[in-house]
Amino acid sequence: KQEVTQIPAALSVPEGENLVLNCSFTDSAIYNLQWFRQDPGKGLTSLLLIQSSQREQTSGRLNASLDKSSGRSTLYIAASQPGDSATYLCAVSKNNFNKFYFGSGTKLNVKP
Amino acid sequence: NAGVMQNPRHLVRRRGQEARLRCSPMKGHSHVYWYRQLPEEGLKFMVYLQKENIIDESGMPKERFSAEFPKEGPSILRIQQVVRGDSAAYFCASSPSPDTEQFFGPGTRLTVL
Repeated sequence: KQEVTQIPAALSVPEGENLVLNCSFTDSAIYNLQWFRQDPGKGLTSLLLIQSSQREQTSGRLNASLDKSSGRSTLYIAASQPGDSATYLCAVSKNNFNKFYFGSGTKLNVKP
Repeated sequence: NAGVMQNPRHLVRRRGQEARLRCSPMKGHSHVYWYRQLPEEGLKFMVYLQKENIIDESGMPKERFSAEFPKEGPSILRIQQVVRGDSAAYFCASSPSPDTEQFFGPGTRLTVL
């Protein structure tokens, strides 16, 4: 069974810092990996989708990388802002049915 | 193009009652997924449906839970005879095809008294 781990569980940084969130998964035979953010009491907002044949995706200040062989993905946030404060979730799917396995998330607090 | 819609946003039920959660996918999306987020836990897959078909229900509890996605109308997650352990946030996601990006709704927060 696929296990997804996210480290750290919580992170507090001053505004303007660049930061890296980590995601690891036990079964490297993944199909897709998707990063989300979740604001308190809200739904999930999709950030980036990396397909298994890709190594990274970029959107604005966000960059996500994927190393399937080592079972790792990182989400890089450049020049963090208070509005980036949220819980960031990593999810992986095993096949093209996209049944996602989620990590427990990293709760990010960006201080003004 | 409106996002994924879920209603109600909040639902309170007493033990033994039925809960019906509705999900309207984004326009053009025929693939629907339901996930559950228990308090202080991560999201767990429950069921994957296409129009009129259940494709994967491996995450659904064996009893009291059922899901459907009819030809017309929203997808419904039905929980019969709710218990306190069913209290959770239930999220629906949709995608245009099974191997592409999933878009999530705001969730339904079920509280069982």
